[in-house]
Amino acid sequence: GENVEQHPSTLSVQEGDSAVIKCTYSDSASNYFPWYKQELGKRPQLIIDIRSNVGEKKDQRIAVTLNKTAKHFSLHITETQPEDSAVYFCAASINKFYFGSGTKLNVKP
Amino acid sequence: ETGVTQTPRHLVMGMTNKKSLKCEQHLGHNAMYWYKQSAKKPLELMFVYSLEERVENNSVPSRFSPECPNSSHLFLHLHTLQPEDSALYLCASSQDSGGAQPQHFGDGTRLSIL
Repeated sequence: GENVEQHPSTLSVQEGDSAVIKCTYSDSASNYFPWYKQELGKRPQLIIDIRSNVGEKKDQRIAVTLNKTAKHFSLHITETQPEDSAVYFCAASINKFYFGSGTKLNVKP
Repeated sequence: ETGVTQTPRHLVMGMTNKKSLKCEQHLGHNAMYWYKQSAKKPLELMFVYSLEERVENNSVPSRFSPECPNSSHLFLHLHTLQPEDSALYLCASSQDSGGAQPQHFGDGTRLSIL
């Protein structure tokens, strides 16, 4: 089955800096890649997603890039704010979702 | 967002108790899921239902028993659980079970086994 690895497990940045979280996947047939944000005690919420026919997608301060050849995709958050502090999960999907183990992002004011 | 609602939010039970978790979705979706979330581990898919029919059972112990009476409701019946079953149990729904649509999650039930 699919195997998704996510790095780093924790990330601490200064407010205003950029944050990058990377995921790799093993099955080249995976075709849908969502990213979720989970604040403490709250539900995972979809923040951005990308499909295999697109290389990059951007939504305000958040962007996702996909490299199908290398089988990795990344989440980029620019101009980070304290409210960006949360756990972020990536997933790769081929008929079902396979999640990464999460990255705890801490944005220091 | 109240698209997917889970009750109760917290549950403490002994190993010999029987309890049920409830999930309700108001999004008109056809697929519903149960996940287990443990600290520092990927979300573990437990069960998938599509149009009230179970389409996946990921080798989950029989002490967890799902029920999907209609496409809007999903239950997880619990009995004789073990301490290692303590975790956050998340329900999710999506338009279909094909894996190409985003899943929408509930707030989860924090389960503690004494």
